[in-house]
Amino acid sequence: GIQVEQSPPDLILQEGANSTLRCNFSDSVNNLQWFHQNPWGQLINLFYIPSGTKQNGRLSATTVATERYSLLYISSSQTTDSGVYFCAVGGDYKLSFGAGTTVTVRA
Amino acid sequence: NAGVTQTPKFQVLKTGQSMTLQCAQDMNHNSMYWYRQDPGMGLRLIYYSASEGTTDKGEVPNGYNVSRLNKREFSLRLESAAPSQTSVYFCASSTYLIRGVDEQFFGPGTRLTVL
Repeated sequence: GIQVEQSPPDLILQEGANSTLRCNFSDSVNNLQWFHQNPWGQLINLFYIPSGTKQNGRLSATTVATERYSLLYISSSQTTDSGVYFCAVGGDYKLSFGAGTTVTVRA
Repeated sequence: NAGVTQTPKFQVLKTGQSMTLQCAQDMNHNSMYWYRQDPGMGLRLIYYSASEGTTDKGEVPNGYNVSRLNKREFSLRLESAAPSQTSVYFCASSTYLIRGVDEQFFGPGTRLTVL
């Protein structure tokens, strides 16, 4: 199956800081999604981005499919951004998840 | 719209007991999925249903069965629960596209403990 590697595994930020999360994958994909799992365990869809760049408020994402990686940018981080960020890739109905990046934003 | 709903939210079973996890979606999606998430890990696909009337195995299907009851509902059954099945179970749904690719939306999860 497709291998998905996320880095860094853990990230501690001061409120207001910017950060970049990376997702590398081992094969070409038709689907790539970024999720935020909040401290209550709920998975929140951030981006559906198999290629290109998207922005949503303080978050943006870029996927370079030909080079098999995606980046998630968090700007002006807030304490509510804390949680685990997952990248999931695949196609033909199957998503493979990375192990996630745990983000802690301190006030 | 409620999106994807799951019942129950929490469940404790003894080894060997059986139970069914229920999932329903009101987004008129064709495809539905069951995943499990173990501590410190991402989600792994157990089974999926590309469309009503079809089901297929995912990455970790052993010990589970599924039923696509209708377009809205997709259930997951544990026939004889084992401690290794202690996990958080997520249901998801997506719109069917030509290549089976579309954004998946997730339910709130069911936290299952098997003693």
